[in-house]
Amino acid sequence: DVKVTQSSRYLVKRTGEKVFLECVQDMDHENMFWYRQDPGLGLRLIYFSYDVKMKEKGDIPEGYSVSREKKERFSLILESASTNQTSMYLCASRTDSGSSGNLRETQYFGPGTRLLVL
Amino acid sequence: QKEVEQNSGPLSVPEGAIASLNCTYSDRVSQSFFWYRQYSGKSPELIMSIYSNGDKEDGRFTAQLNKASQYVSLLIRDSQPSDSATYLCAVNRGSQGNLIFGKGTKLSVKP
Repeated sequence: DVKVTQSSRYLVKRTGEKVFLECVQDMDHENMFWYRQDPGLGLRLIYFSYDVKMKEKGDIPEGYSVSREKKERFSLILESASTNQTSMYLCASRTDSGSSGNLRETQYFGPGTRLLVL
Repeated sequence: QKEVEQNSGPLSVPEGAIASLNCTYSDRVSQSFFWYRQYSGKSPELIMSIYSNGDKEDGRFTAQLNKASQYVSLLIRDSQPSDSATYLCAVNRGSQGNLIFGKGTKLSVKP
């Protein structure tokens, strides 16, 4: 079974703090993703990475950065937490199989971290 | 803006009925389509993927894809109260390779 783990289920931080959210997957997947999920807004992609040390901006990267030093670990960093970053943060890991034109992707989510910024 | 649209619901069906969940998408180059189930307070769980036009069945679940109409649906036969959850439709963005999600349809199965 694929396992994606996140360092905390619940986190409370103060405005201005630097926050680290860690995600680890145990299936040697190349692709990893960070989303946030908010009521009425759905799942929104913050950043993703398709290889070690590689990162790509998603739809809402402002106020966030990421780090991928090892294949199994993808970290999301809130440089200076703000109240509007209170949210559920979901990490995902994806494996691809097949070839171009016949690609099969399977994406799995971690349990989520519910972050409250006061 | 590439989008995935779903009715937010709630969709309420009696136990044993067929639940029908629908999704439309705007990006014609999308090739991969997924349905995730999300229970309240939990993370999304992949339940179906579909890549070709037509139907794909897995137990009580059937995914249907029509690329010409840019439409994908999920049928749940013999609905159970345990199927009550929010169902998220996700579509591959094509060359970018990541998924865009709909906002989900909340399904309630009444005993």
